[in-house]
Amino acid sequence: SYKLTQPPSVSVSPGQTASITCSGDKLEERYVCWYQQKPGQAPLLVIYQDTKRPSGIPERLSGSNSGNTATLTISGTQTMDEADYFCQAWDSTTVVFGGGTKLTVL
Amino acid sequence: QVTLRESGPVLVKPTQTLTLTCTFSGFSLNTNRLCVSWIRKPPGRALEWLGFIDWDEDAYSRTSLKTRLTISKDTSKNQVVLTMTNMDPSDTATYYCARIGRCLVGGEGHFDYWGQGTLVTVSS
Repeated sequence: SYKLTQPPSVSVSPGQTASITCSGDKLEERYVCWYQQKPGQAPLLVIYQDTKRPSGIPERLSGSNSGNTATLTISGTQTMDEADYFCQAWDSTTVVFGGGTKLTVL
Repeated sequence: QVTLRESGPVLVKPTQTLTLTCTFSGFSLNTNRLCVSWIRKPPGRALEWLGFIDWDEDAYSRTSLKTRLTISKDTSKNQVVLTMTNMDPSDTATYYCARIGRCLVGGEGHFDYWGQGTLVTVSS
């Protein structure tokens, strides 16, 4: 079965750029979505189809997908960005989530 | 305005059957390329996709749960029901339902709206 791998944690200073990666075999051949989840809240879609932002998601969140790695980039990181981030892709009619990355802003 | 809400028991005993209902509004599950899915998150662990049902009433499930999981819909009530048999303490998790937009369109599907989730604990 298809697997997506994320680093367990990423740390960034306020105002700096955070990059969260998601790796999978030939991942560039699949669309990748990203979800943000804060404690006690439901996940929130922040990136879909690799690079698209839903309405209301700040422009400082962006996505890319090349080769075996998709990347969620947060520019000018704010304390409000501290959360768990999950990548997601499809394997035929099956949904696959990555293991999640805890982003710490300190 | 699209909303989804999960309801069901907060506590089930091992070997019992769990039934959760997702009641939604703001869209119709008869609409092409819309699906409703169930996802769970065990405490401290990653999101785990369970399955989904599409506009044509076809249901798809996680391979490891195929023998235990049933997903059905009642379009007239705007509800999707998850039934999971033989519950185990390892099934303790927050269970979410979510809408999938662009469902089954060449991998474009994305979970665009989520319910708040319901914590289900499996314990005797």
